[in-house]
Amino acid sequence: SQTIHQWPATLVQPVGSPLSLECTVEGTSNPNLYWYRQAAGRGLQLLFYSVGIGQISSEVPQNLSASRPQDRQFILSSKKLLLSDSGFYLCAWKKVRLGPEAFFGQGTRLTVV
Amino acid sequence: GNSVTQMEGPVTLSEEAFLTINCTYTATGYPSLFWYVQYPGEGLQLLLKATKADDKGSNKGFEATYRKETTSFHLEKGSVQVSDSAVYFCALGGMTTDSWGKFQFGAGTQVVVTP
Repeated sequence: SQTIHQWPATLVQPVGSPLSLECTVEGTSNPNLYWYRQAAGRGLQLLFYSVGIGQISSEVPQNLSASRPQDRQFILSSKKLLLSDSGFYLCAWKKVRLGPEAFFGQGTRLTVV
Repeated sequence: GNSVTQMEGPVTLSEEAFLTINCTYTATGYPSLFWYVQYPGEGLQLLLKATKADDKGSNKGFEATYRKETTSFHLEKGSVQVSDSAVYFCALGGMTTDSWGKFQFGAGTQVVVTP
């Protein structure tokens, strides 16, 4: 069966520090991968998605970037965090042959102080 | 553009009460519709889905029917339990296979069930 792992689960970082969040999918190959963010008091917003190694599409302009160095690895990064980057970050994957739904990880709660 | 509107919470219920969470959407074409649930401290789990008009999704006693005429996908459960306490998200999915996974989510509705 397929599983998705995100780490760390929680993170407290000072303003101006770098960020690296990692997401790994097991049990499938060539999935589509997604990063969503849930900011406080707001809904979920799609940040990035990837259909293959090295292929990244950004949905909204922001202080963050994403990379996909391996087929089942998706990384969310920032060179300098802002207070407004605080939120709950969720990674998700899907395969077209499995239907229109996506499967989400456990999330990373990031607090920028 | 596409959007999803769901009722604001929190919704507080007693155990065994009937739950309804309203969700309406705006979209061109006929998207797939979903309900995801987020239990405290966890990520999102797919609760149910419907991929075409008049489809009824169901899971764990929850049901939702895709109503094209009212552009709605209301979530219902006849008898809630304390373990149903969570945040529920209505979501609209992309309309082509290329855009599947790119969801438009509602703001989420927190449900609190008391013993």
